[in-house]
Amino acid sequence: EAGVAQSPRYKIIEKRQSVAFWCNPISGHATLYWYQQILGQGPKLLIQFQNNGVVDDSQLPKDRFSAERLKGVDSTLKIQPAKLEDSAVYLCASSLEREITEQYFGPGTRLTVT
Amino acid sequence: GNSVTQMEGPVTLSEEAFLTINCTYTATGYPSLFWYVQYPGEGLQLLLKATKADDKGSNKGFEATYRKETTSFHLEKGSVQVSDSAVYFCALSGNYGQNFVFGPGTRLSVLP
Repeated sequence: EAGVAQSPRYKIIEKRQSVAFWCNPISGHATLYWYQQILGQGPKLLIQFQNNGVVDDSQLPKDRFSAERLKGVDSTLKIQPAKLEDSAVYLCASSLEREITEQYFGPGTRLTVT
Repeated sequence: GNSVTQMEGPVTLSEEAFLTINCTYTATGYPSLFWYVQYPGEGLQLLLKATKADDKGSNKGFEATYRKETTSFHLEKGSVQVSDSAVYFCALSGNYGQNFVFGPGTRLSVLP
């Protein structure tokens, strides 16, 4: 079975520019997560989708970050405009059910903001 | 809110040594507890989990017991191998799989 796909794998942008990340979850996984992992820290949940609805976006900086999951499959995470402190690895994960289950993580996108 | 604290690393052990990585949590309700592992150059993957008090999760020789009275979920392995070198993350989720929170991670290096 194919894993969680993410692209691009690396991205370098200047501050105040915009950037978008794409995630394709494992087929049939209803729940999709976006995490931000700053170097040396654990992943921080940004947003959780159940199908195409948002379950939790309490830690998403909504003034600059946005995410969507059209048709309950693929998802995009956008940052506009980027700040230096947004430099991190952005991880996408998916799971079969919303309730207490194993998350499968993608390889992540490493973002560097200069 | 929910939070996870785990011992700071890095932890360096010799092969076949006993491993303990401490993890304590703060949460309301009845969280589920997890250990995730990130091997060099690879993505995060679930190592083991426990969904209620006194449950023991185990996998690949690793074990952790959900202790509600001490709010802990310490990771143990009786004899580590070089291939266990990785970063280990303790994590929890809320009652309905929401509010996932990860600890800061503990880097383990096992020397031959």
